[in-house]
Amino acid sequence: SQQGEEDPQALSIQEGENATMNCSYKTSINNLQWYRQNSGRGLVHLILIRSNEREKHSGRLRVTLDTSKKSSSLLITASRAADTASYFCATDGRPTPGGSYIPTFGRGTSLIVHP
Amino acid sequence: DVKVTQSSRYLVKRTGEKVFLECVQDMDHENMFWYRQDPGLGLRLIYFSYDVKMKEKGDIPEGYSVSREKKERFSLILESASTNQTSMYLCASSSLVGGTEAFFGQGTRLTVV
Repeated sequence: SQQGEEDPQALSIQEGENATMNCSYKTSINNLQWYRQNSGRGLVHLILIRSNEREKHSGRLRVTLDTSKKSSSLLITASRAADTASYFCATDGRPTPGGSYIPTFGRGTSLIVHP
Repeated sequence: DVKVTQSSRYLVKRTGEKVFLECVQDMDHENMFWYRQDPGLGLRLIYFSYDVKMKEKGDIPEGYSVSREKKERFSLILESASTNQTSMYLCASSSLVGGTEAFFGQGTRLTVV
């Protein structure tokens, strides 16, 4: 079952513009993560934000979390053609017997940055 | 550099064949996962393992089984491949320590003909 849902499904922008993707989820979480996937490849972890954090930065990435609205956003500033990829949010799914959680992914946002 | 390695990038198999997808991680992670990714459906969990010889079904286990005889290796088995199992298969691992960040392999694109 999918917990997070990204919006929009697809985003097309020009190089230099900012790209904003949103993620909504249904049940309370401990952490929310964002991943990137280049075409035909595996996912790469970008950033993790904990439920007691409201904002986090990493280079040109800015992630916000609003637990009252059960939503998160990923902002990529000054986008580059190399940012073209699919972006996924992942939330805590089922707990494992070992005490961690299975990451549960949304369907992703496909971002195209035109040079 | 942490690494999750899947044995094949591309695989073509015939209907009815038994197919093995192998995944190896070098991070001493307890958790390992197999996901399937299809257009418009995102990533769906097939099986996961939280320790050697321990496994639990995910959301879509039908037609699949798994094996984890060693901590670093997690195998996905298609007992009798069917065309509806044509998909991208992604292996991932994560630690019990440090949150639930998952590290992914490069993916195996399986085509069943």
